[in-house]
Amino acid sequence: GNSVTQMEGPVTLSEEAFLTINCTYTATGYPSLFWYVQYPGEGLQLLLKATKADDKGSNKGFEATYRKETTSFHLEKGSVQVSDSAVYFCALYSGGYQKVTFGTGTKLQVIP
Amino acid sequence: DTAVSQTPKYLVTQMGNDKSIKCEQNLGHDTMYWYKQDSKKFLKIMFSYNNKELIINETVPNRFSPKSPDKAHLNLHINSLELGDSAVYFCASSQGGSGIYNEQFFGPGTRLTVL
Repeated sequence: GNSVTQMEGPVTLSEEAFLTINCTYTATGYPSLFWYVQYPGEGLQLLLKATKADDKGSNKGFEATYRKETTSFHLEKGSVQVSDSAVYFCALYSGGYQKVTFGTGTKLQVIP
Repeated sequence: DTAVSQTPKYLVTQMGNDKSIKCEQNLGHDTMYWYKQDSKKFLKIMFSYNNKELIINETVPNRFSPKSPDKAHLNLHINSLELGDSAVYFCASSQGGSGIYNEQFFGPGTRLTVL
């Protein structure tokens, strides 16, 4: 079956530090890959996506590149802000009726 | 203008009780979902409905019964609540279809605490 593995958190960074959150996946076929973000007290929101190998998704300064050879989709940001503090979920979709597999989430805390 | 709304936001109840959580979306989507997020933030799909028809039904105890009166609403009824049901329950909606992923929009969640 499909699975998504994320690095365990929490990740604590100082403001303006570089962020990497690792994500690897196992899936049949050619999945689409996503990062969702959950701010405190809110539901999940789609942050970025990539639908085929070598695609780069980007939004709000965050980036992730779909690497088929390493089955990875690591999330990066060059300079984090306090407002980026949230839980980040890596996810995949590999066909069928809109069923998405989520990773376990990685909590990011950015301190001033 | 709230896209996906859930009520109540918090629910505290005793073991053995029956409770319902309501969800409404005003995005015009034809597919709605219920997810359970446990204390470690692990998010798992429970059910999915398309145009009032059950599409996804994961391995969920039959104490959980979703009901979709129309495609804008998907309610979750839970019978005989147990301690392990304590979690945050998220409703979501999207356009349906197979083969292409359509972004899911999530509600703010309902935190259920069973004492």
